[in-house]
Amino acid sequence: EDKVVQSPLSLVVHEGDTVTLNCSYEVTNFRSLLWYKQEKKAPTFLFMLTSSGIEKKSGRLSSILDKKELFSILNITATQTGDSAIYLCAAHQAGTALIFGKGTTLSVSS
Amino acid sequence: KAGVTQTPRYLIKTRGQQVTLSCSPISGHRSVSWYQQTPGQGLQFLFEYFSETQRNKGNFPGRFSGRQFSNSRSEMNVSTLELGDSALYLCASSLASGRYEQYFGPGTRLTVT
Repeated sequence: EDKVVQSPLSLVVHEGDTVTLNCSYEVTNFRSLLWYKQEKKAPTFLFMLTSSGIEKKSGRLSSILDKKELFSILNITATQTGDSAIYLCAAHQAGTALIFGKGTTLSVSS
Repeated sequence: KAGVTQTPRYLIKTRGQQVTLSCSPISGHRSVSWYQQTPGQGLQFLFEYFSETQRNKGNFPGRFSGRQFSNSRSEMNVSTLELGDSALYLCASSLASGRYEQYFGPGTRLTVT
């Protein structure tokens, strides 16, 4: 069965900390891995990763994909309270749709 | 450029009724996907439409159906509502099927009593 597993399920950190969110996948005909941030509304797109070992960065966020070990990580440095959200990872399977993990709930306290 | 819009934003229905949700994609986007989000199951794929044709379908019963119009707007219908259908229904649009940089709408919160 195709699946995407995220860990940890929830995380509480202090402002300024660095966090690493994990996403492992077992998906046949895998094409790409996507990360989304969901606050109180719709998920917003963060990254799409298709190649192994190439880091994508956007401000304090970065992500990398390992297609050999079937996982991806999302790093957030110098966390801020505005980073509090659910972070979703999803695997794109060729010919079908996105398979989402259950998400990691990040809480950043000031 | 306007984002994905969904109507209505909130809906309360009783068991056995049916409901229709609407989604307007970003201008120029031709693919619309629908998802159900619940606390227990997370985000689960319902179906995808591209050029008025259903391209992919998730593992949901036949009570869930959809369609897409020539202007790429999409509707989702759920018949014979059950309590377990209470969820946030999200639609997402992308330029084309298979190019999965999807952009989500705000969702419709459906409560079935």
